[in-house]
Amino acid sequence: GAVVSQHPSRVICKSGTSVKIECRSLDFQATTMFWYRQFPKQSLMLMATSNEGSKATYEQGVEKDKFLINHASLTLSTLTVTSAHPEDSSFYICSATLAGVLDTQYFGPGTRLTVL
Amino acid sequence: QKEVEQDPGPLSVPEGAIVSLNCTYSNSAFQYFMWYRQYSRKGPELLMYTYSSGNKEDGRFTAQVDKSSKYISLFIRDSQPSDSATYLCAMTRPNAGGTSYGKLTFGQGTILTVHP
Repeated sequence: GAVVSQHPSRVICKSGTSVKIECRSLDFQATTMFWYRQFPKQSLMLMATSNEGSKATYEQGVEKDKFLINHASLTLSTLTVTSAHPEDSSFYICSATLAGVLDTQYFGPGTRLTVL
Repeated sequence: QKEVEQDPGPLSVPEGAIVSLNCTYSNSAFQYFMWYRQYSRKGPELLMYTYSSGNKEDGRFTAQVDKSSKYISLFIRDSQPSDSATYLCAMTRPNAGGTSYGKLTFGQGTILTVHP
């Protein structure tokens, strides 16, 4: 149980295009989802906290207009990287928590974004 | 100074060895502690979760928390080549209601290799 999927697993795009990444909780309802990015050989850095039906809360230094997050249902959150640039190339990982239980986060397999 | 410090290694041990992984932290507000295992190009997988000082054992894994010293450890007994991965410590603080705040702060991760 508690499986989180991400799609796509890998994406390569040209500079200036927008990329959407989906995060789904497959067998549970997730009122809260988190989005992280991870650079090579570095730890996960929290980008934003997404609550179903409300606006995401972004961490300091994360541009909300560049990283659009939508959490329209209890099983789906999306991250859209708008006008992507090479410096946005990274490993993006989402996590989801069981409704009302923030203690345990279940992570997706991640999405490798490469911007040319 | 980072809130959570973790030696990135790399750490290389022979099969069957006891592995000790450690993290220190500076924020005394952290009350919930986790260890995650991350295989290359995959999302983190929760191994252990503790919220009190002392030891917690699960199979070959033992998590240890010393809040007075702001120090946590993960011990792996009888290490196997399949344990080769990056191990991340993570922690969070309680919210106003006393339950987990949810936002995780990760250590840098320790790269572990167990060779046959």
